[in-house]
Amino acid sequence: ELKVEQNPLFLSMQEGKNYTIYCNYSTTSDRLYWYRQDPGKSLESLFVLLSNGAVKQEGRLMASLDTKARLSTLHITAAVHDLSATYFCPRTQGGSEKLVFGKGTKLTVNP
Amino acid sequence: GAVVSQHPSRVICKSGTSVKIECRSLDFQATTMFWYRQFPKQSLMLMATSNEGSKATYEQGVEKDKFLINHASLTLSTLTVTSAHPEDSSFYICSASHYGYTFGSGTRLTVV
Repeated sequence: ELKVEQNPLFLSMQEGKNYTIYCNYSTTSDRLYWYRQDPGKSLESLFVLLSNGAVKQEGRLMASLDTKARLSTLHITAAVHDLSATYFCPRTQGGSEKLVFGKGTKLTVNP
Repeated sequence: GAVVSQHPSRVICKSGTSVKIECRSLDFQATTMFWYRQFPKQSLMLMATSNEGSKATYEQGVEKDKFLINHASLTLSTLTVTSAHPEDSSFYICSASHYGYTFGSGTRLTVV
């Protein structure tokens, strides 16, 4: 059974700093998704990573996937307050379309 | 891009009544939709997978008689919380698979 572990679960950082959120998976799989959720809101798609070695960047966020290490990272560069949100990195399990979520990482960027 | 419209966004109901939540795929056909429940400050928990034209598949521990799912067309899935109780208060989110997963805007249900 696929399990998704994110760390840290809570991250408080200063504006302008860099940091990385980690997602570890218990089983190998192909597709990986990163989503952002603001308080009281639904999920906003950030990235879809399709294969080993995939790297995608959008603004101050960069996501990567290492299927051999069963690891995905979301790197934040020069954080700004608007990036404060909870980030999820779900994956599908086996041949199923069902997404399996970790607990999420709540990011707070302080001025 | 793909849009999933979810209504209502907020609903308050009395204990014992039923509430229906709708999810529509606006610009694509969704043969499969997923229903999630999220408690405050927690992750999303998959409740069931809704399949157009067939019965929904419920996750272990989810009461199918309490959470009725209907997927009557390729663009509409509904979740009805029957005989709602305060412990059913939660944030319910639907999603559809279409070149990735698109999530509805969520429904905040409060049962008083």
